[in-house]
This record gives sequence, structure tokens and C-alpha cells, in this order.
Amino acid sequence: GAVVSQHPSWVICKSGTSVKIECRSLDFQATTMFWYRQFPKQSLMLMATSNEGSKATYEQGVEKDKFLINHASLTLSTLTVTSAHPEDSSFYICSAGDHLNTEAFFGQGTRLTVV
Amino acid sequence: AQTVTQSQPEMSVQEAETVTLSCTYDTSESDYYLFWYKQPPSRQMILVIRQEAYKQQNATENRFSVNFQKAAKSFSLKISDSQLGDAAMYFCAYRSAGHIPTFGRGTSLIVHP
Repeated sequence: GAVVSQHPSWVICKSGTSVKIECRSLDFQATTMFWYRQFPKQSLMLMATSNEGSKATYEQGVEKDKFLINHASLTLSTLTVTSAHPEDSSFYICSAGDHLNTEAFFGQGTRLTVV
Repeated sequence: AQTVTQSQPEMSVQEAETVTLSCTYDTSESDYYLFWYKQPPSRQMILVIRQEAYKQQNATENRFSVNFQKAAKSFSLKISDSQLGDAAMYFCAYRSAGHIPTFGRGTSLIVHP
């Protein structure tokens, strides 16, 4: 299957700072990227969907000014958690889909801890 | 809207035995894809098996097979000869063209030695 690389795999930051998470499709063009948040022992919660070159579509209840998503190229999407607070601590996962838009390929995930 | 239901929060199986995880979904689409993902403690999502709705034949991948009942909108996963490494969260997922993927709540599989 296709490879999606997510970086960093874990990060610890101080409250009030911003953190950027990268998601790269290594061997295909990702026309669509999905960003999820996952709490322990729960399912994936979709935060937003981004298409290359256009603004992300955020799910209800997700603050777009807090979770900035950029999908500037067909191989890279970034999620920036701005002014992070302890309640933003979570596991964030990206997945990428190609133009066929069937299977989505997942990154390894990023564990964010805000102290 | 599409929904995916996994009614078993947790399942247990003895090593070398067979276990079936259930999944039902609701959709008005006729063409779609169904997936089972495994999420081990590392939390990497791993595709276990996929099924195209237009295919009547059930998908099989080694010890993993599905029972796809399109009319009943059921998509269960059977794991044969269970191994300790199969212990994980399993998520059933649905996707149709132009729609975002929908995931079930997951089933935690425990494998007893």
C-alpha cells in the first residue's frame, strides 16, 4: 500500500506555544488529507478535511483558528495547534487519499502532550 | 448520512481459536467500500482487509476473512487461528466516492494464551 509519513511521532510543548505536525504522502499524490484526533480507547474523530490548494473543511465544534491546516502541495499537509493548552493533549492522526478517493492511507500518528 | 456500528466494545478469544467481530452500516449508496483496520498499542492504523460493494465474493487475507451481506448491510470480520499479535483495537470503516470515511467505535480484541 501507499506510504504516509507523519512527523513528529511525539512532541511535548509548553502551554501557550504552537506545534506543527506534518503529514507527507511519499509515493502518491494526496488530493485529500484527513486529520483526526483520537482519545484513549475511542474511535477516530474527524477534525477536518483538506484538498490540495483549497481551504480545509472543518467539522462542527473544531476551532479553525486553533487548528490551522495547510495543504499547499499534493504531498504535504500540516496541522498547527496554536496556543496549545493541556486539553489539546491527544493523539493526532492524518490520512491521505488519492484521486480515486477510495482507500485512505494513515500516518503513524503524533502524540501531543501540552504541559 | 452513513453510519457504522460495532456493537461489541470488547471481545476475547483463546489463542489458535476463531473469533468474529461484527459490523453493520447504513447507507443509501449502491457503490462503496468497506474496510477493517487494526490499531495495535503502537496506534498505527493498519489495513486488514477491504471489500468492494460490487463484488459478491467475500474478501480474504490469510487468516482474515469477511462475511459481507450487502442486503443486510453487514460486514463481519473472522480471524482464524488467533495469535497473540492479533490483540488490538479493530475498526470497521465505510467509504463511498465523494464522502468522508466513516468509522465505527471499535472493538477491543483480547487474545488469551
